Amino acid sequence: DAKTTQPNSMESNEEEPVHLPCNHSTISGTDYIHWYRQLPSQGPEYVIHGLTSNVNNRMASLAIAEDRKSSTLILHRATLRDAAVYYCILRDGSGNTGKLIFGQGTTLQVKP
Amino acid sequence: NAGVTQTPKFQVLKTGQSMTLQCAQDMNHEYMSWYRQDPGMGLRLIHYSVGAGITDQGEVPNGYNVSRSTTEDFPLRLLSAAPSQTSVYFCASSYQDRGNSPLHFGNGTRLTVT
Repeated sequence: DAKTTQPNSMESNEEEPVHLPCNHSTISGTDYIHWYRQLPSQGPEYVIHGLTSNVNNRMASLAIAEDRKSSTLILHRATLRDAAVYYCILRDGSGNTGKLIFGQGTTLQVKP
Repeated sequence: NAGVTQTPKFQVLKTGQSMTLQCAQDMNHEYMSWYRQDPGMGLRLIHYSVGAGITDQGEVPNGYNVSRSTTEDFPLRLLSAAPSQTSVYFCASSYQDRGNSPLHFGNGTRLTVT
């Protein structure tokens, strides 16, 4: 299974942009990049996903490197509510993804 | 839609007791899975299912059984609870077992085994 690596923790100031990196050097051509976040004492929630092109939604933006070996989740204006653990995972677009493995994720602290 | 519903929210068991953690989804999702999360740790996959009648093991399957007799339900059974199974359990589902299908998670079951 293709794996991802993320920094253990990051800090940000409120109302500033946040760039959360993810490395996936063994990504295959059919792997989608997914991001999830987990607020304290809650289940993980979906944030965004993409294959090759950059993606935007109301929560965040996903920037994917041209060689697809890394990606960055961008929170345009961090709020205190964005303090959470952020997980980056890969999911095979050709099907039979089955075993989805989450790493430890990045714990984001947002300072007022 | 209720999404992914997990019951109970909290449970305390004694060592050796058995119980079933329930997970139900009303989105007609093919893929369902169970994760456990220990304090300060990430999510570890226990079992998953890509459709009714089909299940497979994840990273940490020992001590747990699953079955998938309907599309909607994916119960997780602990046959003989051990203190090492104290954890928060999350159920997740997605429309298909494919890369462009986001996962939807339940709110978790917090299990304590004494």
